[in-house]
Amino acid sequence: EVQLVESGGGLVQPGRSMKLSCAASGFTFSNYGMAWVRQAPTKGLEWVATISYDGSSTYYRDSVKGRFTISRDNAKSTLYLQMNSLRSEDTATYYCTIFDYWGQGVMVTVSS
Amino acid sequence: DIQMTQSPASLSASLGETISIECRASEDIYSNLAWYQQKSGKSPQLLIYAANRLQDGVPSRFSGSGSGTQYSLKISGMQPEDEGDYFCLQGSKFPLTFGSGTKLEIK
Repeated sequence: EVQLVESGGGLVQPGRSMKLSCAASGFTFSNYGMAWVRQAPTKGLEWVATISYDGSSTYYRDSVKGRFTISRDNAKSTLYLQMNSLRSEDTATYYCTIFDYWGQGVMVTVSS
Repeated sequence: DIQMTQSPASLSASLGETISIECRASEDIYSNLAWYQQKSGKSPQLLIYAANRLQDGVPSRFSGSGSGTQYSLKISGMQPEDEGDYFCLQGSKFPLTFGSGTKLEIK
């Protein structure tokens, strides 16, 4: 059974940093590109970033480019999202996904 | 960026009714389109990929069609468990973009 379990969310002040993790199991993690997708409260889905199966290629939406870094550790079957210089508009539930399967999501609230 | 225009924004359907949701892309996405269902407080579930391929375990009353810039999701015979939000996603080009969503309710 495929499982994606996010962690690391919470309340953070504007301008500060936070790192999300996603522990994967039930599939060969190192064979799959991975992504982070977010959803602001009562809003739609918004793609954030994608990383290739081996970590050699990364892609970001413009609004997070230069602030967020997606990475992975294939030995640990874990995906990461380092978020720096956080803004109020980054407040959302963040999902780890391979698009066939999604994690349960982790809430990030950026507020003073 | 590819814009995905989804319609309608909301829909109310009777049990057994057949409904359709549309997504129009701002350029050709070559059938790189998926449909998701999201129930309240839950993560999205994949229904359809590659425009018309039914994901394993998804009831056959769900179907997808379309090509080029025009795509649709059809539910043939609305069931109570089909209530929720539906989103399309284009995977043709970065940035990946979602439709704005359709809220489907039982009448």
